[in-house]
Amino acid sequence: NAGVTQTPKFRVLKTGQSMTLLCAQDMNHEYMYWYRQDPGMGLRLIHYSVGEGTTAKGEVPDGYNVSRLKKQNFLLGLESAAPSQTSVYFCASSYPGIDTEAFFGQGTRLTVV
Amino acid sequence: AQKVTQAQTEISVVEKEDVTLDCVYETRDTTYYLFWYKQPPSGELVFLIRRNSFDEQNEISGRYSWNFQKSTSSFNFTITASQVVDSAVYFCALSPGMEYGNKLVFGAGTILRVKS
Repeated sequence: NAGVTQTPKFRVLKTGQSMTLLCAQDMNHEYMYWYRQDPGMGLRLIHYSVGEGTTAKGEVPDGYNVSRLKKQNFLLGLESAAPSQTSVYFCASSYPGIDTEAFFGQGTRLTVV
Repeated sequence: AQKVTQAQTEISVVEKEDVTLDCVYETRDTTYYLFWYKQPPSGELVFLIRRNSFDEQNEISGRYSWNFQKSTSSFNFTITASQVVDSAVYFCALSPGMEYGNKLVFGAGTILRVKS
């Protein structure tokens, strides 16, 4: 059982380049999330989805876009990368309900130079 | 506004010492859940425990224990007889009841270093 899988695990981008981070979960979870982790700031929510075909903005959505065409996949796109987007990105998924724990991927370390 | 504060940025202890990680939260919701997650050096976040806002009973699980006090909006985590394998970043998180989408609000994390 793979759980939540993120691709790629590491990436270096030049300023202005674009890329897509892929998240796949095999737990049939309705909800999926993208967070970024920066030193001293914990995890901050970028975008989330409560079901196939739906997406919504989180706390820090600027500079990112997302899509959820299939229930098991949640894509995070950077159209024009900036050094401020250097971070560790985590995808998570969960069942509906405020009592359910989120399952996290292993993270993607992105550096924008 | 929903907010989680972990005032301790980093804690260093010697193996076998007890250590308490503090967590203070803010929410106007009457129904909510609190979580602790562990992030070992390998990087993934691992769920440790959840507690709902109506259950102030403290919990012990092996060397771990949690103290939830609604009156002080605190949800502290204690490791008894710490071990080197406990070295990790620990996050406290809040799941507000009225928030659409189960969005977790995380604290900044506490880095725990256990030295042998």
